[in-house]
Amino acid sequence: SQQGEEDPQALSIQEGENATMNCSYKTSINNLQWYRQNSGRGLVHLILIRSNEREKHSGRLRVTLDTSKKSSSLLITASRAADTASYFCATERNEKLTFGTGTRLTIIP
Amino acid sequence: NAGVTQTPKFQVLKTGQSMTLQCAQDMNHEYMSWYRQDPGMGLRLIHYSVGAGITDQGEVPNGYNVSRSTTEDFPLRLLSAAPSQTSVYFCASSRLTGGWEQYFGPGTRLTVT
Repeated sequence: SQQGEEDPQALSIQEGENATMNCSYKTSINNLQWYRQNSGRGLVHLILIRSNEREKHSGRLRVTLDTSKKSSSLLITASRAADTASYFCATERNEKLTFGTGTRLTIIP
Repeated sequence: NAGVTQTPKFQVLKTGQSMTLQCAQDMNHEYMSWYRQDPGMGLRLIHYSVGAGITDQGEVPNGYNVSRSTTEDFPLRLLSAAPSQTSVYFCASSRLTGGWEQYFGPGTRLTVT
């Protein structure tokens, strides 16, 4: 079964706006990761946050983790057309990575 | 570095045929894994390996077989293909320590008729 569920399933915003997507999961984890997938391509790792961390930044990306609520959010600031892609959260536990169903992000130029 | 490579890129099989999807990495990663991606389902873990000679089952292992004779290679075998195995297959690798950043291959699109 899917460990992570992303919300929303699809999101369209104007270029320059911020995009926020959320991930909820069911069990305890060691870390949570976010990946990007462009159409027809493999996944690319964006950022990893460990279970003892609450917030992490990388360039225009900001990730938060709330282990009490078993949820995470990914914020992409100042979006660009090149950010159009599907975004997946993945939770790691017991040497296994479990992916959510993804958020399809479309940036409108 | 080539990273993670997968062959073939596309494959069409008839029901009952067998085949092997190849995966190789040149980053000396201990951990390798296979996922399948179906529309609306995200990625599901088929099998994984934490080192040469060690493999274990993931979420959806039935109908698939793996072996890990070297650190570099992790082939996935379909024993008797079924239409339900039509999917896109991704191989990934990572270090076991210092983080779990997965490096993905470009994928193999498999159709079983």
